[in-house]
Amino acid sequence: EVQLVESGGGLIQPGGSLRLSCAASGFTLSGYHMNWVRQTPGKGLEWLSYISSSSNSIYYADTVKGRFTISRDNARNSLYLQMNSVRDEDTAVYYCARDQIITYGMDVWGQGTTVTVSS
Amino acid sequence: SYELTQPPSVSVSPGQTARITCSGDALPKKYAYWYQQKSGQAPVLVIYEDRKRPSAIPDRFSGSSSGTMATLTITGAQVGDEADYYCYSTDTNGDRRVFGGGTKLTVL
Repeated sequence: EVQLVESGGGLIQPGGSLRLSCAASGFTLSGYHMNWVRQTPGKGLEWLSYISSSSNSIYYADTVKGRFTISRDNARNSLYLQMNSVRDEDTAVYYCARDQIITYGMDVWGQGTTVTVSS
Repeated sequence: SYELTQPPSVSVSPGQTARITCSGDALPKKYAYWYQQKSGQAPVLVIYEDRKRPSAIPDRFSGSSSGTMATLTITGAQVGDEADYYCYSTDTNGDRRVFGGGTKLTVL
């Protein structure tokens, strides 16, 4: 079964750091571009970051650029999101999602991990 | 920053046709994608590249795009189709992806 499982969420104080992980199974991560997307409580979806299959291209939304870093370890079939200098507004459910082959729709999503920023 | 605009809500009776629109300046050059998200669940891709449907998605879901507007059409909407629907695309450079604000579909 093709699956993505996020982990690493939790309660963190403003200004702190957290690393989210996304474990892929049922497919070879190295063949796919990947993304992080978040959803704040009761609100809509927000695309955060993209990383190409070989890590050659990386893009960020303006809201997290300079604070968050996307990376991947294809040998471990894993995707990561390093979150630094977190703010209250970073409180959300964080999803990893796989790009379709050739096009940029996201066809496989994890169930999400919750990050709560609070003092 | 680039934005996609959707109506906040659409309401239809069961069996009727629901249409959800998404407007964005780059849509004449960039594909639109549509996601369905039911309460407490991860999003599901229902339309890609304006009008293509993943194999697991019922054929009552269809998509179209003309100019700066993309449309998701649900023909013969069912109560089970109640969900939030999001359009998705990129800016003209292709390095900034964006979701629309979402449309809550009510079928009752």
